[in-house]
Amino acid sequence: SQELEQSPQSLIVQEGKNLTINCTSSKTLYGLYWYKQKYGEGLIFLMMLQKGGEEKSHEKITAKLDEKKQQSSLHITASQPSHAGIYLCGASLNSGGSNYKLTFGKGTLLTVNP
Amino acid sequence: EPEVTQTPSHQVTQMGQEVILRCVPISNHLYFYWYRQILGQKVEFLVSFYNNEISEKSEIFDDQFSVERPDGSNFTLKIRSTKLEDSAMYFCASRTSGSTQYFGPGTRLLVL
Repeated sequence: SQELEQSPQSLIVQEGKNLTINCTSSKTLYGLYWYKQKYGEGLIFLMMLQKGGEEKSHEKITAKLDEKKQQSSLHITASQPSHAGIYLCGASLNSGGSNYKLTFGKGTLLTVNP
Repeated sequence: EPEVTQTPSHQVTQMGQEVILRCVPISNHLYFYWYRQILGQKVEFLVSFYNNEISEKSEIFDDQFSVERPDGSNFTLKIRSTKLEDSAMYFCASRTSGSTQYFGPGTRLLVL
């Protein structure tokens, strides 16, 4: 089974609609990171969550961490075409040391139709 | 805003050839990483590097791979004898003592 499961795999929304992407870990989370990737390009850091119940927002994007469920959600309010891309969750799943290597989910492809 | 840069953006090579992918991490960062993403698949960890030595490597990072920080700014990934299955996007990342990694734009490697 996958260590990090993202859902949905893809999402098509109309501009202005809200949406949520989920990321669930099969292991204990020691840090959860959201990145955005445009097809064939690099990963752009969005937000990092470390503590249970933590919630962070940047512009119209909000991310939450439910430590007990080992799950994070990314919520976009009033989506715009500029939000389109692939959203990746990455997690530090090893407790030891300070390496912070990341394990990634498969990504969620978001399309926003104008 | 400081960025991680990578060169080349694209590289085409013949199977069996050596390639060197280059990265310039953000200047005050201390920890360096290489990841790869085969087309249509997940981003996978290859290796981490700190204090001039490998701190962790994955099963993918076999004897054909090596990393080096030849000077104060560059961080390189060498593949000695490329295979078809090495075709992928290779990402360099770096971070300070904090945990957030910042990624470069990637090098797309195609092995023919």
